[in-house]
Amino acid sequence: SQQGEEDPQALSIQEGENATMNCSYKTSINNLQWYRQNSGRGLVHLILIRSNEREKHSGRLRVTLDTSKKSSSLLITASRAADTASYFCATDDNNAGNMLTFGGGTRLMVKP
Amino acid sequence: DAMVIQNPRYQVTQFGKPVTLSCSQTLNHNVMYWYQQKSSQAPKLLFHYYDKDFNNEADTPDNFQSRRPNTSFCFLDIRSPGLGDAAMYLCATSRVRGSYNEQFFGPGTRLTVL
Repeated sequence: SQQGEEDPQALSIQEGENATMNCSYKTSINNLQWYRQNSGRGLVHLILIRSNEREKHSGRLRVTLDTSKKSSSLLITASRAADTASYFCATDDNNAGNMLTFGGGTRLMVKP
Repeated sequence: DAMVIQNPRYQVTQFGKPVTLSCSQTLNHNVMYWYQQKSSQAPKLLFHYYDKDFNNEADTPDNFQSRRPNTSFCFLDIRSPGLGDAAMYLCATSRVRGSYNEQFFGPGTRLTVL
């Protein structure tokens, strides 16, 4: 079963605006990771947040984690056309040998 | 640059004709993974190797097999591809097994089944 569910499935914004993507999951986790995938390419790791962390920053990326609500959000500030991609959250499912289970992804389009 | 390489990038095969996809890595990572990703869906783990130890996901069809002859190379064999096996196949590596390790992905092989 899919561990992570992402919301929205698709998001279209103008360059310069902020983009927020949300991820919800079902079981307890040790950490949550966010990955980016350009069309037709492999995934690239963006950021990892541990279960005892509430917020983490990396450049224009800000990730929050609320383990009580089993949810995470990825905020991209001051978006650029080059940020256009699909963004996936991945959780280490304690019921799956701690292998990563990916959510369905949010397809982000940033219009120039 | 250290990286994960997949060949070919695009593969066309016929229904029922065996096909092999290859992955190589220069990262010297212990763990190699194979994922299947269908259009607009999440990558789905098929199996992984921790060194030579093969680990199959419970719902991976028997039609899919894998080989890891050495640390650098891993192969995905699809014995009798069906139309439903058309997908992007992603190879990934991580330094060790365990969820605190980020995974490094190759560019993928897009498989078409005619």
